[in-house]
Order: sequence, then structure tokens, then C-alpha cells
Amino acid sequence: DTEVTQTPKHLVMGMTNKKSLKCEQHMGHRAMYWYKQKAKKPPELMFVYSYEKLSINESVPSRFSPECPNSSLLNLHLHALQPEDSALYLCASSQVGVPPSEQYFGPGTRLTVT
Amino acid sequence: GNSVTQMEGPVTLSEEAFLTINCTYTATGYPSLFWYVQYPGEGLQLLLKATKADDKGSNKGFEATYRKETTSFHLEKGSVQVSDSAVYFCALSVPTGGGNKLTFGTGTQLKVEL
Repeated sequence: DTEVTQTPKHLVMGMTNKKSLKCEQHMGHRAMYWYKQKAKKPPELMFVYSYEKLSINESVPSRFSPECPNSSLLNLHLHALQPEDSALYLCASSQVGVPPSEQYFGPGTRLTVT
Repeated sequence: GNSVTQMEGPVTLSEEAFLTINCTYTATGYPSLFWYVQYPGEGLQLLLKATKADDKGSNKGFEATYRKETTSFHLEKGSVQVSDSAVYFCALSVPTGGGNKLTFGTGTQLKVEL
């Protein structure tokens, strides 16, 4: 099974709301990732978790707060977002090691901030 | 730093035409190379990969060869179908000590017409 699942599929939220995006994988991968993708652009890396610890934060604003409760789950907590944060949010997972292995992506959450 | 350059799109082809999408990279160390495909409204799917020089990745009629001497990983398919219409991303991955960091090209949109 090479599936990464994400919920919800679509999310509309106001600038004062708090919401969470969820991601799950059961491939035994020990690295998980959050990406943001704007229309007609490649994904931009936001966060990397390795063995449930945050290993990379690409200078993401604090209104985005990641959490990795266990090796299969990854959350992204959203608070006080801006309209420019509207985008497709993608979760991915991979093995950890050398040579670098492929990342498997979920279908994404389409976020609209009003 | 690491970077990936791929040909600008959109590329428009007739069904059964030959496809080439050029991709060149700059990287320190020994990256793994990937092609991902994204269909409208979906996440990224791994199309093929290569982890060392002279490796050939192949899948669903698509092929790409890891050429260290020319730092290239061009995507080819002998006969495209309408169902191949999508955006194609070339990417490289290097280990970071905690997960892998994917660097994407800008993406090439492919349109295949009857």
C-alpha cells in the first residue's frame, strides 16, 4: 500500500478561525512532510519531520503549526491565516536514508481563506 | 545550492507523437532524481526515479536516464496518449540528516490532442 491520505479534501475558513489538516500513512515511513502549492507552481516545502521530530522548518510563519503525534500521523494546525495562504496543502512521506528515496504524496487539501 | 531547470510549457502534441521534456540539474553530492506527474485537482504521483549515474527509470512507457556527465534527466515517451495530459515535475533529492529535501523544477504542462 503506497497511499497517503489527507483530510479534509476542501476547507474554507475565515481569518479568525482555527482549523487543522490531517495526514496519515501506513507505509512505515519515518519522514513526513508538509508542502504548500500555489496554482501553476511547484510545491514549496514547509516542514519536515524525521522520527517524529521536527527537522526542517522553512521559515514558515507561526500561524502554521505542525504536529506529529506518532509515526503514522501528521497534523497542520492553522490559526489567523491570511487570504494569501489560500493554496493546495500537500502531505508526503518517505523512507529515511541514503540514497534519498522517493516521497509519496497525498491528494492534498484545497484551502481557501476568506 | 541545488536547482532543477526544466523546459517551459505548455507543450502541445498530437496523440501518438514522441515526447521529450528536458531537465537539467545542479547539485552537491549525489542526488536521487525523480519525475512526478500531477493531474488536474490531484496530488503528485511518482512517475519514475533513478538513484545513481547511468540508471534508467521507466514506468508506463515513460523513460529517463540519469546522466552525470551532462547533469540531465530528460523524460521521454515514444507515443503519448490524451490521458498523459498533465503537469510534469522534474525533481532532485538530497539527504538532510532528517528526511530528504526535494527540489522541484518549475513544471511542464503537457497537452495531448486527438
